[in-house]
Amino acid sequence: AQKVTQAQTEISVVEKEDVTLDCVYETRDTTYYLFWYKQPPSGELVFLIRRNSFDEQNEISGRYSWNFQKSTSSFNFTITASQVVDSAVYFCALSEEGTGANNLFFGTGTRLTVIP
Amino acid sequence: DAGVIQSPRHEVTEMGQEVTLRCKPISGHDYLFWYRQTMMRGLELLIYFNNNVPIDDSGMPEDRFSAKMPNASFSTLKIQPSEPRDSAVYFCASSPGLAGGLGELFFGEGSRLTVL
Repeated sequence: AQKVTQAQTEISVVEKEDVTLDCVYETRDTTYYLFWYKQPPSGELVFLIRRNSFDEQNEISGRYSWNFQKSTSSFNFTITASQVVDSAVYFCALSEEGTGANNLFFGTGTRLTVIP
Repeated sequence: DAGVIQSPRHEVTEMGQEVTLRCKPISGHDYLFWYRQTMMRGLELLIYFNNNVPIDDSGMPEDRFSAKMPNASFSTLKIQPSEPRDSAVYFCASSPGLAGGLGELFFGEGSRLTVL
């Protein structure tokens, strides 16, 4: 079974619009970690955020915000006032203490295109 | 720090040839990962090391694939013999591990392999 589902394959928005990338995860562990990574056109993946399963507080970092809801097993990512530089593939990932907390299972990614 | 360094960036080879991909992790990182990215299968973890010791190689596709980490500053992923279905981007990543940043993987720019 897929541990991380990113149902949106591709999203296009016009610059300055807000956009939310969805992530749904599945795990039986009580201790787990959720991540978002960005893969710009240059190719390398860049770490954006980590949350552990005991901390459901939403987080905001500049134009980025993350909404973690255990009740719906979701960890969604919102970009406010999108910019062209936000165009990239975004990956949600999960790691479980039971299978090695550094062993990340990645979703299939959402390709975001911000149109100027 | 220079970041994770991978070589070669691009490799084109013919079916049956041996391919060796190289990785230099960030100094001081205890974990090293090899991932493969394809359109069909997304990001797949092939193998990871902790302190130069292979911890989980369950993602290695078959016996044609092998990985080594002879010391803390160098790892190789070898495919012998290569097949067209091995064509992918291979990423190396390192992580400081539990002490320094759980799940925060630092990725190299990838090695794009094309097997004709």
